[in-house]
Amino acid sequence: HLLESGGGLAQPGGSLRLSCEASGFIFNEFAMNWVRQAPGKGLEWVSVIYKGGTTTYYEDSVRGRFTISRDDSKNTLYLLMTSLRVQDTAVYYCVKGSGGSYVWGQGTTVTVS
Amino acid sequence: LGVTQSPSASASLGESVKVTCTVTGGLSSYAIAWHQQHPEKGPRYLMKINSDGSHTRGDGIPDRFSGSSSGLDRYLIISSLQSDDEADYYCQTWASDTPMVFGSGTKVTVL
Repeated sequence: HLLESGGGLAQPGGSLRLSCEASGFIFNEFAMNWVRQAPGKGLEWVSVIYKGGTTTYYEDSVRGRFTISRDDSKNTLYLLMTSLRVQDTAVYYCVKGSGGSYVWGQGTTVTVS
Repeated sequence: LGVTQSPSASASLGESVKVTCTVTGGLSSYAIAWHQQHPEKGPRYLMKINSDGSHTRGDGIPDRFSGSSSGLDRYLIISSLQSDDEADYYCQTWASDTPMVFGSGTKVTVL
């Protein structure tokens, strides 16, 4: 089970921190992703953090502005979003897994306006 | 590396529909995953399909959902179509530094 929070309204140039609380599996054994979906659009991968927390990757448009992190002691994934743009408006989903096996959270909405 | 999908597919209630995903810029050995999304809902993982057509469903996914492969094409087959199968279906593959590469989605309509 994955429960996202932290979404809301932000101004352009502002910041938000999303959280994803995990339960029902051994959190520290899995890669974790953030995926977003702009209104009326398809799915777009944003970032991944692998187990151990030292290896991360970002989609080109968010690299340098967003930071993914995890706290395995709290079974929680984070996404710190800074220098927000109107184009970052989307539902953000937390997604467990890699290599073809996944579990999705229910999403949290970020509006930049 | 990417994946392409046709924008729409349709079939009648109780029939079968085949949704195609084509792997581009990669090897024919690439596996893919399928995700289902109902309107105004979050996505749900359906299954992984390997290049040899073998597939692994996610937890709770009924066996009406199956997969197959041919060359660079990966297929999602939904049999005994139900009204609840009307949804968007996203194909997704992965590479070492891009763990989730999505297609643009296929809207399945149940006639």
